[in-house]
Amino acid sequence: NAGVTQTPKFQVLKTGQSMTLQCAQDMNHNSMYWYRQDPGMGLRLIYYSASEGTTDKGEVPNGYNVSRLNKREFSLRLESAAPSQTSVYFCASTLKGRTAETQYFGPGTRLLVL
Amino acid sequence: GQQLNQSPQSMFIQEGEDVSMNCTSSSIFNTWLWYKQDPGEGPVLLIALYKAGELTSNGRLTAQFGITRKDSFLNISASIPSDVGIYFCAGQLYSGGSNYKLTFGKGTLLTVNP
Repeated sequence: NAGVTQTPKFQVLKTGQSMTLQCAQDMNHNSMYWYRQDPGMGLRLIYYSASEGTTDKGEVPNGYNVSRLNKREFSLRLESAAPSQTSVYFCASTLKGRTAETQYFGPGTRLLVL
Repeated sequence: GQQLNQSPQSMFIQEGEDVSMNCTSSSIFNTWLWYKQDPGEGPVLLIALYKAGELTSNGRLTAQFGITRKDSFLNISASIPSDVGIYFCAGQLYSGGSNYKLTFGKGTLLTVNP
């Protein structure tokens, strides 16, 4: 049981390049999330997927697209990377409780856009 | 959107000391969560609180869900060097169906001097 896995761990891009960040979970969770973490800003939600086949915007969706490929996988795509997208990206999946969700996070992808 | 004020932003303490940090909000939450993030890793759930007034312990950690539902604190007793990391609070609002909104504080950076 690997939990939440993310690839790659590190990436350097030039402005304008595109890339896809991969996330997979093996806990049979329904909901998956993408966050970015910047110094002094905490975690900000980019996109989420409440269930397979659905995706919704979070707090900071501009410049990103997502795909919920199946129940296990949720990818984040940067079509044209910008220096402002330099950040650490975390994927999370959710175990749903009666009235609360608890999120389990992956190890993160560190992205530098030059 | 909802804002969480987490304090202090950082703490430098000696091994063996007790630590206290808290989060306050201008609006209520259904659930409070506390996470710890080790350097280079993703956040890991420490404690989840589901009812106003609830006091929950996890080893040397104790957290409480405030009576007003607008605040929570986390205490760490007898700190040790491996307590170093960033601690995040998160408030969750459930509005029915699959609608869970999670808001993170900006984190408290804890440094423990041996």
